[in-house]
Amino acid sequence: GAVVSQHPSRVICKSGTSVKIECRSLDFQATTMFWYRQFPKKSLMLMATSNEGSKATYEQGVEKDKFLINHASLTLSTLTVTSAHPEDSSFYICSAMLAGGSYEQYFGPGTRLTVT
Amino acid sequence: DQQVKQNSPSLSVQEGRISILNCDYTNSMFDYFLWYKKYPAEGPTFLISISSIKDKNEDGRFTVFLNKSAKHLSLHIVPSQPGDSAVYFCAAYSNYQLIWGAGTKLIIKP
Repeated sequence: GAVVSQHPSRVICKSGTSVKIECRSLDFQATTMFWYRQFPKKSLMLMATSNEGSKATYEQGVEKDKFLINHASLTLSTLTVTSAHPEDSSFYICSAMLAGGSYEQYFGPGTRLTVT
Repeated sequence: DQQVKQNSPSLSVQEGRISILNCDYTNSMFDYFLWYKKYPAEGPTFLISISSIKDKNEDGRFTVFLNKSAKHLSLHIVPSQPGDSAVYFCAAYSNYQLIWGAGTKLIIKP
């Protein structure tokens, strides 16, 4: 099946530092990847849609300068949380859509970010 | 404006019985619907999907029903097993973006 990995699985950082989260599609090519954030006891919130080789499309209310997304290849997208603050602490999940038009998104296992 | 609604935050079902999870939507332009299962601190896992041209799709213990006139879909799990305890999200496609429901926590009692 289609496998998506995320690294790291959990990270603790100090306020003001930057953190990079990687999302990889392991056995398929993904022209489109998505980044989500999940707040406690809430649904997934789409942050941005990233297409390989082009700029990410951010959802309303998501600061593009704070959450930098790079989709450099068909198997890798990165999310960098810049100048992290405690309110950025959350569970970040990426997903990848198979190249070729399938509707299904395959999700990574998520990254738990804690900013102290 | 919540376009995809799961009105039951939780559901408790006896092991071996049928679990029915419901989902309502408001946008008649949605043409593809999916159900995902999620355990705490993990990413969602795709379960089953249905295109708007169908009214039923079955995969093993999981069946999804779509009632377009009522803008309603449901996921049936039979028989329910302890490992089915999780949060279930329904989602609908709109312009290559998934619109998510709030999720229903399913608890399977032994």
